[in-house]
Amino acid sequence: KQEVTQIPAALSVPEGENLVLNCSFTDSAIYNLQWFRQDPGKGLTSLLLIQSSQREQTSGRLNASLDKSSGRSTLYIAASQPGDSATYLCAVYSSASKIIFGSGTRLSIRP
Amino acid sequence: NAGVTQTPKFRVLKTGQSMTLLCAQDMNHEYMYWYRQDPGMGLRLIHYSVGEGTTAKGEVPDGYNVSRLKKQNFLLGLESAAPSQTSVYFCASSRQGATLSYNEQFFGPGTRLTVL
Repeated sequence: KQEVTQIPAALSVPEGENLVLNCSFTDSAIYNLQWFRQDPGKGLTSLLLIQSSQREQTSGRLNASLDKSSGRSTLYIAASQPGDSATYLCAVYSSASKIIFGSGTRLSIRP
Repeated sequence: NAGVTQTPKFRVLKTGQSMTLLCAQDMNHEYMYWYRQDPGMGLRLIHYSVGEGTTAKGEVPDGYNVSRLKKQNFLLGLESAAPSQTSVYFCASSRQGATLSYNEQFFGPGTRLTVL
């Protein structure tokens, strides 16, 4: 059974720091992995989608990597800003009906 | 484009009451999904649809029914609400299925449901 874990559950860093969020999964037979951002009381906003054949994807200050063999993905945020404060979720696509989400990392950027 | 919209935004039910949540998307997506989000448990897939007229069970389907009579709409029904169904419900859609390359999911804003 696929399990997706995000550690730490919460993270607080000062503005301007580069940081890495982690996502690990137990079954390496995945199709894709997607990173989302969720603001309090809001829906999910897609940040990056990495296909299983890719190693990384970049969008602005964000870079997501995928290592299927080790069951890990990381989301790198460069030069963090207070507006980056949110909960970050990863989702692993194992099949059409098996889209497993991690519990998320709640990120707080201190001005 | 409005993207994915959900109706209503909030609802309070008494145990045993029924209700329907409506999800609509204007992106001509084939796939639509219903999730629930509970504290500390992430999002869990309730039901999904791979096209108009189709539905399938996800991870936690018990107590819910769905219908996809029109491509743009996906309805989630609770026939007899229970306190365990208190949650935030999210609808999502994607152009293709999860096993294909172009399957980015787009989410609605959510419906906060409380069952007393």
